Amino acid sequence: GESVGLHLPTLSVQEGDNSIINCAYSNSASDYFIWYKQESGKGPQFIIDIRSNMDKRQGQRVTVLLNKTVKHLSLQIAATQPGDSAVYFCAENRWGSQGNLIFGKGTKLSVKP
Amino acid sequence: GAGVSQSPRYKVAKRGQDVALRCDPISGHVSLFWYQQALGQGPEFLTYFQNEAQLDKSGLPSDRFFAERPEGSVSTLKIQRTQQEDSAVYLCASSPGWRTGDEQYFGPGTRLTVT
Repeated sequence: GESVGLHLPTLSVQEGDNSIINCAYSNSASDYFIWYKQESGKGPQFIIDIRSNMDKRQGQRVTVLLNKTVKHLSLQIAATQPGDSAVYFCAENRWGSQGNLIFGKGTKLSVKP
Repeated sequence: GAGVSQSPRYKVAKRGQDVALRCDPISGHVSLFWYQQALGQGPEFLTYFQNEAQLDKSGLPSDRFFAERPEGSVSTLKIQRTQQEDSAVYLCASSPGWRTGDEQYFGPGTRLTVT
C-alpha cells in the first residue's frame, strides 16, 4: 500500500557535523516530496521540498536528494546545530492532487554539543 | 502576521464525552487540513476543506468524527462519544492555494487525552 517510512528512528550527531536522514517511499505514483521539522509541542514546519523531475535541491544548510530508481529520499543538514534537534518527517503527495500529505514515522535528531 | 492557531492546546475528556477542537487558519488561506498524530507517529490525514466546502473526508476514522468550516475560515473538528483510541494530537494546517506545492502551515495542535 501507500506508505512513507524511515530507515533510522533516531540519529545522534555531534554539533558541527553533517547529518543525513533517510526515507523510503513505496508509492511510485508520488511525485512531490517534502521534509518537515517538528519540535516538541509544535506543529511540523516546512524545511524543503522536491518534485520528481529533480534529483537534488538545495536550501540554506539543507539539501534534499531524490532517487526515484530505489524510491529513496534523504535530507542532508550541514554543520548541524543544537537548534536542529527535532523530529524530522518526510511526506509525499502526487502533484496535481488536492495536497493532503502522507507522512512517514519520523526520525529524531539529537545534536550533542 | 499570526500563524495557524488552535484551541484548546490540551483537552482531557472522559470516555464517552463529546469534544470540539477549533482551528483558526491564516487569514485568507483557501485550503484547510486536519491531521491526527498518534504518539511517536507521523501525522495522518483526516479531512480537507477548500473554502467552506469539505472536499475530502476519507481519513476520518469513524462517523463519530465530524468537521466543519461554515464560513470558509475557522474550522471545528468534533468528536462524539470519545474513545481511548482517539487520544492523539490533532493538527490543523492551512494553505494559501489549493494546489500541490502550496506550502501547508501547521498549527501547534491540540493534544487530546481520553481517560
